[in-house]
Amino acid sequence: DIRLTQSPSFMSASVGDRVTITCRASQGINNNLAWYQQKPGKAPKLLIYVATTLQSGVSSRFSGSGSGTEFTLSISPLQAEDVATYYCQQLEKYPRTFGPGTKVEI
Amino acid sequence: QVQLVESGGGLVQPGRSLRLSCTGSGFMFRKYGINWVRQAPGKGLQWLAVVSFDGETQYYADSVKGRFTISRDNSKNTVYLQMSRLRPEDTAVYYCAKEDVILNTNFYYFDHWGQGTLVTVSS
Repeated sequence: DIRLTQSPSFMSASVGDRVTITCRASQGINNNLAWYQQKPGKAPKLLIYVATTLQSGVSSRFSGSGSGTEFTLSISPLQAEDVATYYCQQLEKYPRTFGPGTKVEI
Repeated sequence: QVQLVESGGGLVQPGRSLRLSCTGSGFMFRKYGINWVRQAPGKGLQWLAVVSFDGETQYYADSVKGRFTISRDNSKNTVYLQMSRLRPEDTAVYYCAKEDVILNTNFYYFDHWGQGTLVTVSS
Protein backbone atom coordinates (compact mmCIF):
# COMPACT_ATOMS: atom_id res chain seq x y z
CA ASP A 1 0.00 0.00 0.00
CA ILE A 2 1.09 3.59 -0.60
CA ARG A 3 1.63 5.37 2.69
CA LEU A 4 1.12 9.13 3.01
CA THR A 5 2.61 11.27 5.75
CA GLN A 6 1.68 14.86 6.47
CA SER A 7 3.56 17.59 8.26
CA PRO A 8 2.92 19.28 10.48
CA SER A 9 0.12 17.39 12.22
CA PHE A 10 -1.02 20.61 13.87
CA MET A 11 -0.38 24.27 13.23
CA SER A 12 -1.53 27.56 14.64
CA ALA A 13 -1.28 30.62 12.44
CA SER A 14 -2.64 34.13 12.24
CA VAL A 15 -5.21 35.57 9.87
CA GLY A 16 -3.37 36.81 6.81
CA ASP A 17 -0.49 34.34 7.11
CA ARG A 18 0.66 31.98 4.40
CA VAL A 19 0.26 28.38 5.54
CA THR A 20 1.96 25.40 3.91
CA ILE A 21 1.17 21.74 4.54
CA THR A 22 3.36 18.97 3.16
CA CYS A 23 2.30 15.49 2.09
CA ARG A 24 4.86 12.80 1.28
CA ALA A 25 4.12 9.52 -0.45
CA SER A 26 6.03 6.30 0.13
CA GLN A 27 6.40 5.89 -3.64
CA GLY A 28 5.78 7.89 -6.77
CA ILE A 29 2.11 8.60 -7.43
CA ASN A 30 2.23 10.34 -10.80
CA ASN A 31 0.75 13.54 -9.30
CA ASN A 32 -2.45 11.60 -8.60
CA LEU A 33 -3.06 13.46 -5.36
CA ALA A 34 -6.02 15.32 -3.95
CA TRP A 35 -6.45 17.64 -0.97
CA TYR A 36 -9.58 17.85 1.16
CA GLN A 37 -10.75 20.23 3.86
CA GLN A 38 -12.86 18.92 6.71
CA LYS A 39 -14.52 21.20 9.22
CA PRO A 40 -15.76 19.78 12.54
CA GLY A 41 -18.88 17.69 12.16
CA LYS A 42 -18.89 18.06 8.38
CA ALA A 43 -18.02 15.91 5.41
CA PRO A 44 -14.70 16.44 3.62
CA LYS A 45 -14.66 18.93 0.78
CA LEU A 46 -12.47 18.61 -2.29
CA LEU A 47 -10.00 21.48 -2.71
CA ILE A 48 -7.32 20.33 -5.16
CA TYR A 49 -6.90 17.35 -7.48
CA VAL A 50 -4.11 16.10 -9.72
CA ALA A 51 -1.82 17.84 -7.24
CA THR A 52 -2.35 21.36 -8.61
CA THR A 53 -5.86 21.72 -10.10
CA LEU A 54 -8.22 23.89 -8.07
CA GLN A 55 -11.70 22.42 -7.77
CA SER A 56 -14.44 24.59 -9.21
CA GLY A 57 -15.85 27.00 -6.66
CA VAL A 58 -12.91 26.74 -4.28
CA SER A 59 -11.21 29.96 -3.23
CA SER A 60 -8.04 30.86 -5.12
CA ARG A 61 -6.38 31.30 -1.73
CA PHE A 62 -5.81 27.55 -1.90
CA SER A 63 -3.11 26.19 -4.16
CA GLY A 64 -1.32 22.90 -4.64
CA SER A 65 2.15 22.10 -5.85
CA GLY A 66 4.66 19.30 -5.98
CA SER A 67 5.49 16.21 -7.93
CA GLY A 68 6.93 12.75 -7.51
CA THR A 69 6.54 11.95 -3.84
CA GLU A 70 6.35 15.39 -2.21
CA PHE A 71 3.37 17.70 -2.43
CA THR A 72 2.23 20.86 -0.70
CA LEU A 73 -1.03 22.63 -0.01
CA SER A 74 -0.78 26.36 0.56
CA ILE A 75 -3.36 28.73 1.94
CA SER A 76 -2.70 32.42 1.47
CA PRO A 77 -3.87 34.57 3.01
CA LEU A 78 -5.28 32.45 5.83
CA GLN A 79 -8.81 33.39 6.83
CA ALA A 80 -10.75 32.54 9.98
CA GLU A 81 -13.06 30.23 8.03
CA ASP A 82 -10.07 28.07 7.03
CA VAL A 83 -9.94 26.51 10.49
CA ALA A 84 -10.22 22.83 9.62
CA THR A 85 -8.32 19.59 9.22
CA TYR A 86 -6.70 19.05 5.83
CA TYR A 87 -6.10 15.63 4.30
CA CYS A 88 -4.14 14.52 1.27
CA GLN A 89 -5.18 11.40 -0.64
CA GLN A 90 -3.46 9.38 -3.31
CA LEU A 91 -5.56 8.01 -6.16
CA GLU A 92 -2.84 6.32 -8.15
CA LYS A 93 -3.35 2.86 -6.73
CA TYR A 94 -5.76 0.88 -4.63
CA PRO A 95 -6.26 1.13 -1.71
CA ARG A 96 -6.94 4.87 -2.00
CA THR A 97 -5.03 5.98 1.06
CA PHE A 98 -5.34 9.25 2.98
CA GLY A 99 -2.73 11.11 4.94
CA PRO A 100 -3.26 11.41 8.71
CA GLY A 101 -4.39 15.02 8.48
CA THR A 102 -3.16 18.46 9.48
CA LYS A 103 -5.24 20.50 11.88
CA VAL A 104 -5.07 24.24 11.26
CA GLU A 105 -6.10 26.67 13.96
CA ILE A 106 -6.07 30.43 14.22
CA GLN B 1 -27.35 19.94 -7.40
CA VAL B 2 -25.39 16.80 -6.68
CA GLN B 3 -26.51 15.13 -3.49
CA LEU B 4 -25.51 11.93 -1.75
CA VAL B 5 -27.48 10.72 1.24
CA GLU B 6 -26.32 7.87 3.47
CA SER B 7 -28.68 5.87 5.63
CA GLY B 8 -28.79 2.67 7.62
CA GLY B 9 -26.43 3.51 10.45
CA GLY B 10 -27.15 2.82 14.08
CA LEU B 11 -26.20 0.76 17.11
CA VAL B 12 -25.33 -2.87 16.40
CA GLN B 13 -23.86 -5.63 18.52
CA PRO B 14 -20.43 -7.08 17.78
CA GLY B 15 -20.58 -9.95 15.32
CA ARG B 16 -23.81 -8.76 13.75
CA SER B 17 -24.44 -7.32 10.29
CA LEU B 18 -25.64 -4.00 8.98
CA ARG B 19 -26.33 -2.61 5.52
CA LEU B 20 -25.68 1.00 4.65
CA SER B 21 -27.21 2.77 1.67
CA CYS B 22 -26.03 5.76 -0.33
CA THR B 23 -28.60 7.34 -2.60
CA GLY B 24 -27.52 9.86 -5.20
CA SER B 25 -29.39 12.59 -7.03
CA GLY B 26 -28.65 15.56 -9.24
CA PHE B 27 -26.25 13.70 -11.52
CA MET B 28 -26.18 10.68 -13.86
CA PHE B 29 -25.66 8.17 -11.09
CA ARG B 30 -25.06 5.22 -13.41
CA LYS B 31 -21.99 6.87 -14.91
CA TYR B 32 -19.87 7.25 -11.78
CA GLY B 33 -18.00 5.10 -9.35
CA ILE B 34 -18.96 5.44 -5.70
CA ASN B 35 -16.66 4.98 -2.72
CA TRP B 36 -17.17 4.37 0.99
CA VAL B 37 -14.89 6.16 3.45
CA ARG B 38 -15.14 6.03 7.22
CA GLN B 39 -13.91 8.11 10.11
CA ALA B 40 -13.63 6.70 13.60
CA PRO B 41 -14.34 9.18 16.43
CA GLY B 42 -11.54 11.73 16.60
CA LYS B 43 -9.55 9.96 13.89
CA GLY B 44 -8.68 10.48 10.24
CA LEU B 45 -10.27 9.30 7.02
CA GLN B 46 -10.05 5.67 5.98
CA TRP B 47 -10.97 4.57 2.48
CA LEU B 48 -12.94 1.31 2.49
CA ALA B 49 -14.23 0.33 -0.91
CA VAL B 50 -15.27 1.42 -4.39
CA VAL B 51 -17.74 0.08 -6.92
CA SER B 52 -17.43 0.93 -10.59
CA PHE B 53 -20.15 2.76 -12.50
CA ASP B 54 -21.66 -0.48 -13.77
CA GLY B 55 -21.18 -2.51 -10.60
CA GLU B 56 -18.80 -4.90 -12.32
CA THR B 57 -15.63 -3.97 -10.43
CA GLN B 58 -15.01 -3.56 -6.72
CA TYR B 59 -11.91 -2.85 -4.68
CA TYR B 60 -11.57 -3.08 -0.91
CA ALA B 61 -9.24 -2.06 1.87
CA ASP B 62 -7.56 -5.05 3.47
CA SER B 63 -9.14 -4.19 6.81
CA VAL B 64 -12.64 -4.93 5.49
CA LYS B 65 -12.02 -7.39 2.68
CA GLY B 66 -14.09 -10.51 3.24
CA ARG B 67 -16.37 -8.79 5.78
CA PHE B 68 -17.77 -5.87 3.77
CA THR B 69 -19.38 -6.03 0.34
CA ILE B 70 -20.09 -3.05 -1.86
CA SER B 71 -22.76 -3.21 -4.55
CA ARG B 72 -25.09 -0.93 -6.44
CA ASP B 73 -28.54 -0.77 -7.98
CA ASN B 74 -28.51 1.87 -10.68
CA SER B 75 -32.28 1.57 -11.10
CA LYS B 76 -32.54 2.96 -7.56
CA ASN B 77 -29.55 5.34 -7.74
CA THR B 78 -28.21 3.55 -4.69
CA VAL B 79 -24.95 2.00 -3.56
CA TYR B 80 -24.88 -0.40 -0.64
CA LEU B 81 -22.26 -1.41 1.88
CA GLN B 82 -23.11 -4.73 3.46
CA MET B 83 -21.10 -5.05 6.65
CA SER B 84 -20.83 -8.37 8.46
CA ARG B 85 -19.00 -9.70 11.51
CA LEU B 86 -18.86 -6.17 12.86
CA ARG B 87 -16.26 -5.28 15.47
CA PRO B 88 -16.08 -2.42 17.97
CA GLU B 89 -13.27 -0.92 15.89
CA ASP B 90 -15.73 -0.53 12.98
CA THR B 91 -17.43 2.22 15.00
CA ALA B 92 -17.25 5.30 12.79
CA VAL B 93 -19.08 7.79 10.63
CA TYR B 94 -19.43 6.22 7.20
CA TYR B 95 -19.37 8.51 4.17
CA CYS B 96 -20.09 7.72 0.57
CA ALA B 97 -18.25 9.76 -2.03
CA LYS B 98 -18.76 10.13 -5.75
CA GLU B 99 -15.62 9.86 -7.78
CA ASP B 100 -14.88 11.58 -11.04
CA VAL B 101 -12.08 10.97 -13.48
CA ILE B 102 -10.46 13.20 -16.07
CA LEU B 103 -11.39 11.77 -19.46
CA ASN B 104 -8.81 9.39 -20.95
CA THR B 105 -6.61 9.56 -17.87
CA ASN B 106 -6.12 7.74 -14.60
CA PHE B 107 -6.63 10.95 -12.60
CA TYR B 108 -9.45 10.52 -10.10
CA TYR B 109 -10.86 12.61 -7.30
CA PHE B 110 -13.79 12.48 -4.86
CA ASP B 111 -15.79 15.53 -5.80
CA HIS B 112 -18.96 15.05 -3.76
CA TRP B 113 -19.54 13.49 -0.36
CA GLY B 114 -22.60 12.62 1.65
CA GLN B 115 -23.17 13.91 5.18
CA GLY B 116 -22.29 10.54 6.72
CA THR B 117 -24.09 7.99 8.85
CA LEU B 118 -22.87 6.87 12.27
CA VAL B 119 -22.35 3.19 12.98
CA THR B 120 -21.74 2.20 16.58
CA VAL B 121 -20.67 -1.36 17.31
CA SER B 122 -21.18 -2.13 20.95
CA SER B 123 -22.85 -4.64 23.22
